[in-house]
Amino acid sequence: AQSVTQPDIHITVSEGASLELRCNYSYGATPYLFWYVQSPGQGLQLLLKYFSGDTLVQGIKGFEAEFKRSQSSFNLRKPSVHWSDAAEYFCAVGARGGGADGLTFGKGTHLIIQP
Amino acid sequence: DVKVTQSSRYLVKRTGEKVFLECVQDMDHENMFWYRQDPGLGLRLIYFSYDVKMKEKGDIPEGYSVSREKKERFSLILESASTNQTSMYLCASSKTWGAFFGQGTRLTVV
Repeated sequence: AQSVTQPDIHITVSEGASLELRCNYSYGATPYLFWYVQSPGQGLQLLLKYFSGDTLVQGIKGFEAEFKRSQSSFNLRKPSVHWSDAAEYFCAVGARGGGADGLTFGKGTHLIIQP
Repeated sequence: DVKVTQSSRYLVKRTGEKVFLECVQDMDHENMFWYRQDPGLGLRLIYFSYDVKMKEKGDIPEGYSVSREKKERFSLILESASTNQTSMYLCASSKTWGAFFGQGTRLTVV
């Protein structure tokens, strides 16, 4: 069965500092990997996705993620965070691009931005 | 842009009531999903559907049923609401990659 682990429940970062959110997955075949962001009281918004090819993928809002097969990781990064980045971040893995099999989500990382 | 619309943002229902949560998507997606989201547990898949009148159980289907009579609409039904079904419910749709989510319905069962 597929699974996703986000080891950090909460992360606090100063505004302007760099950010890395960790994600490890377990999946039997080539994974389809996603990062979503959820602002308070809102649904989930897709930040970026990885299917194949270049292991460094660019997303919206200045985020990027790197797929490392040897480490079963798909960490999310941003060089300089803004106060508006404070939110809950979810890593997800799915079969066939999250189609009919659905996505398996990590439990999320709550990002706090301090001035 | 893909739009996934959930009929209610907030609902309060009484224990034992039959509850309907409605979801509509406007991008002709084949696949639709219902998740529930709880603190510390993340998102868990309740049911999904890959075609009209088709449904598949997800990880936590107990106490729920679904209906998909039209491609754009996917309904989640709580046959007899219980307090442990108080949660945020998220609907999503997808075609070939990723999933697009609605705004969520926060259901409180009292």
